[in-house]
Amino acid sequence: AQSVTQLGSHVSVSEGALVLLRCNYSSSVPPYLFWYVQYPNQGLQLLLKYTTGATLVKGINGFEAEFKKSETSFHLTKPSAHMSDAAEYFCAVSDQTGANNLFFGTGTRLTVIP
Amino acid sequence: NAGVTQTPKFQVLKTGQSMTLQCAQDMNHEYMSWYRQDPGMGLRLIHYSVGAGITDQGEVPNGYNVSRSTTEDFPLRLLSAAPSQTSVYFCASSYSLISGEKLFFGSGTQLSVL
Repeated sequence: AQSVTQLGSHVSVSEGALVLLRCNYSSSVPPYLFWYVQYPNQGLQLLLKYTTGATLVKGINGFEAEFKKSETSFHLTKPSAHMSDAAEYFCAVSDQTGANNLFFGTGTRLTVIP
Repeated sequence: NAGVTQTPKFQVLKTGQSMTLQCAQDMNHEYMSWYRQDPGMGLRLIHYSVGAGITDQGEVPNGYNVSRSTTEDFPLRLLSAAPSQTSVYFCASSYSLISGEKLFFGSGTQLSVL
């Protein structure tokens, strides 16, 4: 069965500091992995995704994530945090139905301190 | 381009009342789905559809009903509202049916059941 664990429900970083949001997954088949971002009072937007190919994936707004099969991880990073990065971030893994359904993690709220 | 439109944005119900949450997309997407978002639990799939006339259950379908009579619309019906259905509901769609495609989310409906 598919599942996602996000370590840390709240992460605070200073403006300009490295952002690291952790995600570990469980999947019995090669996974498709996603990071979505939710700004206050909005729906979710796709940041980046891994399906096949290169394990280092670049997304929007300077974010990137690396798929590490041996560690079953897909951590999200950004070298320098900006105030506009404050939001909730969700890691997700595709399910096994064959349809475009996702299992989401519980989310990590990122606070950026000026 | 409107994308995915959800109505209403807010709703308060009494226990036992029924209502329909509306979802419409103007992108000619075949796949549509409903998720609920609860604090500390991330998003969980309620129902999904891979085309007009085709629906299936997700992780938490009890107490909800769906139909898909057109490609554009995918309403979610609460048959007899319960306080446990207090949540934020998101509709999502994608062009392709298959796993790995970007989901487009609506801005959500915040539902309170008293």
